[in-house]
Amino acid sequence: DAKTTQPPSMDCAEGRAANLPCNHSTISGNEYVYWYRQIHSQGPQYIIHGLKNNETNEMASLIITEDRKSSTLILPHATLRDTAVYYCIVRVLRDDKIIFGKGTRLHILP
Amino acid sequence: NAGVMQNPRHLVRRRGQEARLRCSPMKGHSHVYWYRQLPEEGLKFMVYLQKENIIDESGMPKERFSAEFPKEGPSILRIQQVVRGDSAAYFCASSWAQGGDEQFFGPGTRLTVL
Repeated sequence: DAKTTQPPSMDCAEGRAANLPCNHSTISGNEYVYWYRQIHSQGPQYIIHGLKNNETNEMASLIITEDRKSSTLILPHATLRDTAVYYCIVRVLRDDKIIFGKGTRLHILP
Repeated sequence: NAGVMQNPRHLVRRRGQEARLRCSPMKGHSHVYWYRQLPEEGLKFMVYLQKENIIDESGMPKERFSAEFPKEGPSILRIQQVVRGDSAAYFCASSWAQGGDEQFFGPGTRLTVL
């Protein structure tokens, strides 16, 4: 079973920042927070991952609370192409399988 | 740099036939993972393979499903005597090392059983 809780859906206006929350209150000390997204039935796409420090790459930023029980994925300037299902996953680094939950369906509104 | 390749992209089979799904990992990747996505559901892990070895098949149905990753050639997911409930999207992913910081996913094979 997935160890994360995400809202089933969210809306965001095009050009604004999309902030996607994730709760992972039972996360273990050696588990990382990963984010993937799936655009319209394509294969999932890796976005970002982190352990306890905030992370940023060309796609997004990941903010992890100090107690590591929740995190937020930030898409700084959402576009229509960011419409997708976003999955928050906790897993041990180098664990073989990814356990996907139901994710958040993000709608970008023009 | 070619990504993970899967073929066929769409496959139609009648009940009782066999389905063979192929996955070519990214260049330099020796770890392959198969996932299944039923309609309107999330992805479920099926099996993890390295070259010539099955490492974790905890998500594979006990009957009719098998997977291999030979020394040469693509990984194959084989479904014998398909039933309507096997209709789904099957995704393959690959990584450089076990688990890997990233698993790179292919475009999937959509299996329809008539």
